[in-house]
Amino acid sequence: DIQMTQSPSSLSASVGDRVSITCRAAQYIGKYVNWYQQKPGKAPRLLIYAASSLQGGVPSRFSGSGSGTDFTLTISSLQSEDFATYYCQQSYSTLWTFGQGTKVEIK
Amino acid sequence: QVQLVQSGAEVKKPGASVTVSCKTSGYTFSSYGITWVRQAPGQGLEWMAWLSANNGNTNYAQKFQGRVTMTTDTSTSTAYMELRSLRSDDTAVYYCARLVYTYYNMDVWGTGTTVSVSS
Repeated sequence: DIQMTQSPSSLSASVGDRVSITCRAAQYIGKYVNWYQQKPGKAPRLLIYAASSLQGGVPSRFSGSGSGTDFTLTISSLQSEDFATYYCQQSYSTLWTFGQGTKVEIK
Repeated sequence: QVQLVQSGAEVKKPGASVTVSCKTSGYTFSSYGITWVRQAPGQGLEWMAWLSANNGNTNYAQKFQGRVTMTTDTSTSTAYMELRSLRSDDTAVYYCARLVYTYYNMDVWGTGTTVSVSS
């Protein structure tokens, strides 16, 4: 399985802050990375697919970048509704894996 | 709109089996895949398996090989996931999600089903 390592595992930020979460793959995965947001007690929500494509209905303050092994999810100006846990997921191999998650908390 | 509605919570004893259903609506069932992801209490997301609703091909995570089976009923646009030989560490919320073949992303998620395994 391709291991996906997210960092940080948690962070504290204020409304209006720019926040970046990184995900590193253990091997080359091209652009086969998707990003999800999950709030407590809710199902995950797709934010970004193919490393940098914004899913329909997702605010433009979310963006994704990277290719190969290193990927970043950026929230340009954090809003109150963005406090949640974020996961990357690789779909390059036939056996998919998620990162361990990054919890974004209010400072 | 696209919806995936899952069956209700289950309580099982160790060694038993559980089948979770995922009834879809609002799209052409055979044009997408279905994938299953679980989340143990307080833990992250764990991918289990995916299935092509078009031809029934499946792909299972190695961890679940031999213990999980995914099936579909195209007449009702419903997917099923059976997990056998349950253990206490199978206690989790199980999600189905619609799978988009372009870069294999999970664009719409089900309502979630809590499976509790306890003696």
